[in-house]
Amino acid sequence: NAGVTQTPKFRVLKTGQSMTLLCAQDMNHEYMYWYRQDPGMGLRLIHYSVGEGTTAKGEVPDGYNVSRLKKQNFLLGLESAAPSQTSVYFCASSLGRRGGQPQYFGPGTRLTVL
Amino acid sequence: RKEVEQDPGPFNVPEGATVAFNCTYSNSASQSFFWYRQDCRKEPKLLMSVYSSGNEDGRFTAQLNRASQYISLLIRDSKLSDSATYLCVVNTGFQKLVFGTGTRLLVSP
Repeated sequence: NAGVTQTPKFRVLKTGQSMTLLCAQDMNHEYMYWYRQDPGMGLRLIHYSVGEGTTAKGEVPDGYNVSRLKKQNFLLGLESAAPSQTSVYFCASSLGRRGGQPQYFGPGTRLTVL
Repeated sequence: RKEVEQDPGPFNVPEGATVAFNCTYSNSASQSFFWYRQDCRKEPKLLMSVYSSGNEDGRFTAQLNRASQYISLLIRDSKLSDSATYLCVVNTGFQKLVFGTGTRLLVSP
């Protein structure tokens, strides 16, 4: 049982390049989330999904797109990377069947945009 | 006002000490509360949920005060391995969690 996994672990992009971050979970969780973490700002929600085929915007969605084609996978895309998107990106998942469920995080992707 | 506020610290304590962190939240409709632990350059990990009646897990005790809208975490007999950042987390509904910016704990020999 791997829990939540993320690929890649590290990536360096040039401004304007695109990339996709992959999150996978093997816990049969309904809900999945993408966060970014920047120094002094805590975790901020980018997008989330409450089930296969659904997505919703979080607190800081601009510049990102997501897709949840399979229940176990949640993809985060950057269409045209900007230096302001340099951050650590965490994926998380939760059961989501009733209120108050904790979230479980992947190991993170460290992205630098030059 | 931030939805979840924590003292950033750092709290510097010797091994064996007892240390407590508080966290305040602004949304009185908040339903669920958690403490997460985050080590440097690692992902947040669930430490414990916080229940209305208070709960204990080994050396860790969590309390909730709904009237004053704060939660607390008490760590007894601190270990070097307790050094980390502790995140206060509040569920405001719709399965979305709001994370505090964390309190840093440094335990020294």
